Amino acid sequence: SQQGEEDPQALSIQEGENATMNCSYKTSINNLQWYRQNSGRGLVHLILIRSNEREKHSGRLRVTLDTSKKSSSLLITASRAADTASYFCATAPRTGTASKLTFGTGTRLQVTL
Amino acid sequence: DTGVSQDPRHKITKRGQNVTFRCDPISEHNRLYWYRQTLGQGPEFLTYFQNEAQLEKSRLLSDRFSAERPKGSFSTLEIQRTEQGDSAMYLCASSPSGRAVETQYFGPGTRLLVL
Repeated sequence: SQQGEEDPQALSIQEGENATMNCSYKTSINNLQWYRQNSGRGLVHLILIRSNEREKHSGRLRVTLDTSKKSSSLLITASRAADTASYFCATAPRTGTASKLTFGTGTRLQVTL
Repeated sequence: DTGVSQDPRHKITKRGQNVTFRCDPISEHNRLYWYRQTLGQGPEFLTYFQNEAQLEKSRLLSDRFSAERPKGSFSTLEIQRTEQGDSAMYLCASSPSGRAVETQYFGPGTRLLVL
């Protein structure tokens, strides 16, 4: 089953604008990761934030994590048409076997010219 | 290309037939994962290998599903007596060993359509 929800489910913006996606999860985590998926393709890892971190940057990406609220956000600045894709958050468990990632339901981002 | 590869990329089969998918992970990665993704949803975990040992299986993995990783390298996922509900994208991922789950590297997926 899915770990949590992503919000919004779909987002349409113009090139150059910023895009913000939110992710909520349910259980204690070791880390939270964001992945991108172009239509019908595999997933590409974007960024990982650990449970003891609050903010992380990578190029045009900014990720925040609030473990007290069990939520994370992904900000893409100065969006480009090539950013059009689905974006998923995924959580790695704090306890138990170091095995699976649990994915959210995804946000579909459309960037128009 | 040293990424994760999957074969075939697409498979169309009739209900009741058996299908087998292959995944070749990144060569130095000990961990291998299978996920299933249906339309409009995020990937859902199916099973996980550490080298050749299958360490965890999801409840989604019914007795019609079997996965192997015989020599700790490539893996196969077989679905017997396919049903229309098995139609989905099957994703394979690999990662190096470590204490916690870190970045996973995904293959392009095998899209299965059961008619």
